[in-house]
Amino acid sequence: EPEVTQTPSHQVTQMGQEVILRCVPISNHLYFYWYRQILGQKVEFLVSFYNNEISEKSEIFDDQFSVERPDGSNFTLKIRSTKLEDSAMYFCASRPQLSSGNTIYFGEGSWLTVV
Amino acid sequence: GENVEQHPSTLSVQEGDSAVIKCTYSDSASNYFPWYKQELGKRPQLIIDIRSNVGEKKDQRIAVTLNKTAKHFSLHITETQPEDSAVYFCAAPTSSGTYKYIFGTGTRLKVLA
Repeated sequence: EPEVTQTPSHQVTQMGQEVILRCVPISNHLYFYWYRQILGQKVEFLVSFYNNEISEKSEIFDDQFSVERPDGSNFTLKIRSTKLEDSAMYFCASRPQLSSGNTIYFGEGSWLTVV
Repeated sequence: GENVEQHPSTLSVQEGDSAVIKCTYSDSASNYFPWYKQELGKRPQLIIDIRSNVGEKKDQRIAVTLNKTAKHFSLHITETQPEDSAVYFCAAPTSSGTYKYIFGTGTRLKVLA
């Protein structure tokens, strides 16, 4: 069964550094998402992406964050000037088409620790 | 915007007993409701979902019920087993935009052997 894959599975970074989290969505999917989950809390929406541009973003997704799909397969989340409070699990997700009845498929997550 | 409330936040049951987790959503146009099980350090795994054209769906020991009038849906786990211990999240898609999921706050279920 096709899966959303994410790398790295875990990254430790110094405060103030930039990190890039990578995702390969399921191949025929068109809509991509990033979610964040701080330890012990709920899963929070960050951004959705379609047709090479951001479709929606949450209040969390400020100028510190950016997304792109550089090569037609990878979907990346860049976090600049990381802060301690950016430590969280970041989940990439995708869905095949835009319908509220479609399941969103989640990757295994990238655990980011900012020290 | 869509808001999803989930109760209880923690639930302990004896092995073999049933567990019920409830969620309430705010967007009356929402029409799809998934439930996820998340084990520590892992991604949320879809365990069951229901669409708004049915009131109940069952898959072995797991069932979900939906009350559209009251805007709430519930997860029922019967004959609980220790491996059911996890955090369970409900979710509802927004009815516009990219139908992103709004997640509930999660229920930590502990099944006591």
